[in-house]
Amino acid sequence: AQSVTQPDIHITVSEGASLELRCNYSYGATPYLFWYVQSPGQGLQLLLKYFSGDTLVQGIKGFEAEFKRSQSSFNLRKPSVHWSDAAEYFCAVGAGTNAGKSTFGDGTTLTVKP
Amino acid sequence: GAVVSQHPSRVICKSGTSVKIECRSLDFQATTMFWYRQFPKKSLMLMATSNEGSKATYEQGVEKDKFLINHASLTLSTLTVTSAHPEDSSFYICSASVPLGGSYNEQFFGPGTRLTVL
Repeated sequence: AQSVTQPDIHITVSEGASLELRCNYSYGATPYLFWYVQSPGQGLQLLLKYFSGDTLVQGIKGFEAEFKRSQSSFNLRKPSVHWSDAAEYFCAVGAGTNAGKSTFGDGTTLTVKP
Repeated sequence: GAVVSQHPSRVICKSGTSVKIECRSLDFQATTMFWYRQFPKKSLMLMATSNEGSKATYEQGVEKDKFLINHASLTLSTLTVTSAHPEDSSFYICSASVPLGGSYNEQFFGPGTRLTVL
């Protein structure tokens, strides 16, 4: 069975500082990997996804993520955080043959200090 | 991108009543939709997969008689919480699946519905 671990429950960074959110997955085959962002009381917005090919993927809002098969990781990064980035971030692994059904990590809450 | 709406965005009901939540794909047809439940500060828990024209597939531990799912058209799936109790209070999110080629289907999420049962 697939699983996702986000080791950091809560991260605080200063505005303008760099950010890295960690994600480790467990999946028997080549995974489909996603990062979503959720603002309070809102649904999820897809930041980026990885299927195959280039292991460094670019997403919206200046985010990128790197797939490292050897480490079973898919960490999310942003070089300079903005106050509007404060939100909940979820990493997910998808069983691609199952119509997009995904398993989500427990999420990381990002707080941005002025 | 594809837009998914949910209605209502927030509902408060009395214990013992039933509540219906709608999930609509606004600009595309979705043969498959998913219903998730999210507790405060927690991840999304998949409740069921809703397939147009057939019965929903429920995840283990989800009461199918409690959470009735109907996917009557290619743009609408409904979740009815029957005889709601305070422990059913939660944030319910739906997503619609869009095939993007190969075996991959991308999910587009609705904004969620906050259910409070008094």
